[in-house]
Parts: sequence; structure tokens; C-alpha cells
Amino acid sequence: DIQMTQSPSSLSASVGDRVTITCRASQGISSWLAWYQQKPEKAPKSLIYAASSLQSGVPSRFSGSGSGTDFTLTISSLQPEDFATYYCQQYKSFPLTFGGGTKVEI
Amino acid sequence: QVQLVESGGGLVKPGGSLRLSCAASGFTFTDYYMSWIRQAPGKGLEWVSCISSNGRSIYSADSVKGRFSISRDNAKNSVFLLMNTLRADDTAMYYCARGGSVRWFDPWGQGTLVTVSS
Repeated sequence: DIQMTQSPSSLSASVGDRVTITCRASQGISSWLAWYQQKPEKAPKSLIYAASSLQSGVPSRFSGSGSGTDFTLTISSLQPEDFATYYCQQYKSFPLTFGGGTKVEI
Repeated sequence: QVQLVESGGGLVKPGGSLRLSCAASGFTFTDYYMSWIRQAPGKGLEWVSCISSNGRSIYSADSVKGRFSISRDNAKNSVFLLMNTLRADDTAMYYCARGGSVRWFDPWGQGTLVTVSS
């Protein structure tokens, strides 16, 4: 199984800050990686797919990078609506696996 | 618009069964793999099971193999999750999502809550 490790597990930031979340796969997954945002009591929402492609309708302040085993989600200027939990997920092979999540707090 | 709506959750006793449904609309259902993903209270996301567009290929997490069964009805644009021998640790919000094999999950349904308790 491919293990996905996110860091940090939580972070505190202010509106306007640049935020970076990292995700490491236990083996190479090329660019088969997605990022999701989840707000409390809501279903997850896709932000990034194929490691760096922005899902339609997602603000351009979100960006993804990386390939192989190391990936990054960056929020260039944190907005109030961005306070949420973020998950990475590999879809290269079964079982499909998620990172443990990163909670972005004020 | 593309939409997924789950139903069928509820309270069930340990050892019991439950069948979840997911109704899809707004896209060509027969073009996509479909998946179930769950989230225990206060925990992260766990992929449960995935079914191919024609229903011939099925993949499941080890934690549910032999107990849960995914299926689909392409004529009704629906996917199902039959859950048998339920345990307390199956308590979770269950989400239906489009995708699974070489495709990310988008969109997700709103979820249906399954509680396993005596």
C-alpha cells in the first residue's frame, strides 16, 4: 500500500499569509495526486488534481506542485474562507489512500 | 449541474446490515468509475470501495472486504453499498464520489451518516 504523509498536521496563520502544506508518498506516484479542502460539517471539495492542475472554479491563489514522492499545496494569500482541513490523496494504485490532513486555523 | 445524492444511512445494531444508495445526475454516468469514501467522527478520510464504469471491476479496502459490497445500476444512474456484519468502527459519514481509478474524486455527495451501536 502507498502511505501518504502530510505535514504539518495543523498550522496557525493569518489572513494574507502564504501557506504551504507538504505531502509525501511512500513510493513514487508520478503526478497521480489530488488535494481536497474540507470545511466543518461539509463534504470534501476537490482543489487540485494531477498534482498541479486547478479544479474548475477554484481560486488561483491555490496551487500545487511536485511529482514522484514529494508534493506541495500552496495558498498564496490566505483568505477567511480558506480556514479548513486539507487532504492529499494518491490515485495511482489501489488501495487509494489519503494523507492524515492539515488543519489550517486562525 | 453534476450532483450526487446519498441516502440510506441510519442507526443499526452491531452485526446488522444497511444498504446505501447514491443517485447521480448531470453527467454521463456510464463513463465513470464511482467510489465510496468514509470519515469516522473527528477522523480523516478513508477510501472504502470503487466500481468500474461497466460494473465488472471492483476494488475494496481490506477493512471492509468480505463484509461490504459495491454495485451499480447504470439504467438508474445509481451506485450502492451493501454493508453486512457491521461493527462499531464502521460508524462514519459515508460519501459517494465520482472517480477512483486513475481519476481523483470530484464531485462528492453530501454524505449519509451510519451509526453502529447497540
